[in-house]
Amino acid sequence: KAGVTQTPRYLIKTRGQQVTLSCSPISGHRSVSWYQQTPGQGLQFLFEYFSETQRNKGNFPGRFSGRQFSNSRSEMNVSTLELGDSALYLCASNKDRGGTEAFFGQGTRLTVV
Amino acid sequence: QKEVEQNSGPLSVPEGAIASLNCTYSDRVSQSFFWYRQYSGKSPELIMSIYSNGDKEDGRFTAQLNKASQYVSLLIRDSQPSDSATYLCAVNIITSGGSNYKLTFGKGTLLTVNP
Repeated sequence: KAGVTQTPRYLIKTRGQQVTLSCSPISGHRSVSWYQQTPGQGLQFLFEYFSETQRNKGNFPGRFSGRQFSNSRSEMNVSTLELGDSALYLCASNKDRGGTEAFFGQGTRLTVV
Repeated sequence: QKEVEQNSGPLSVPEGAIASLNCTYSDRVSQSFFWYRQYSGKSPELIMSIYSNGDKEDGRFTAQLNKASQYVSLLIRDSQPSDSATYLCAVNIITSGGSNYKLTFGKGTLLTVNP
């Protein structure tokens, strides 16, 4: 059974640009959550999508957005990148609503220069 | 008060010893609790989930939950150097509005097992 797939694995972007990250959950899983991980702040919740709807959102500015498609695949977008957005972005797949067992993808390492 | 707290460590134990990792949480109605292991440069890997008070054992790992004390722990018996990693505690926290949950993580405890 395939795991959670995130693409790309690594990205280098310039301040002010925008970026789109992709996540394909485990087959049959309908909920996708996104997290930002930095050494100082740890794992911080960005948002959760279920049935193509954002169900939950963390305390991040509006520059961070996402969406989910009918096949449960999800994308996350960050506009007007700042240096502080450099982090590991992790996608987690849940069989059902958030709060249950979450399985993580390998992550996308974003570096903003 | 932080929602999920863990000792940051580092926790250093000799090979073969028992490693004890602790976590406290603030949301009294939380129902689901998880332990993840994260090796350096890798993503978190789910190793244990626990939903009821008491102990749950899986191989060398035992998760312990005490909802009255809002405390969850992870014991690793016969620790091996390959257990050296950061261990993350995650708790199902009810978000504002009461109808949504999110997994909230502690900042993790770095465990080093010395040969």
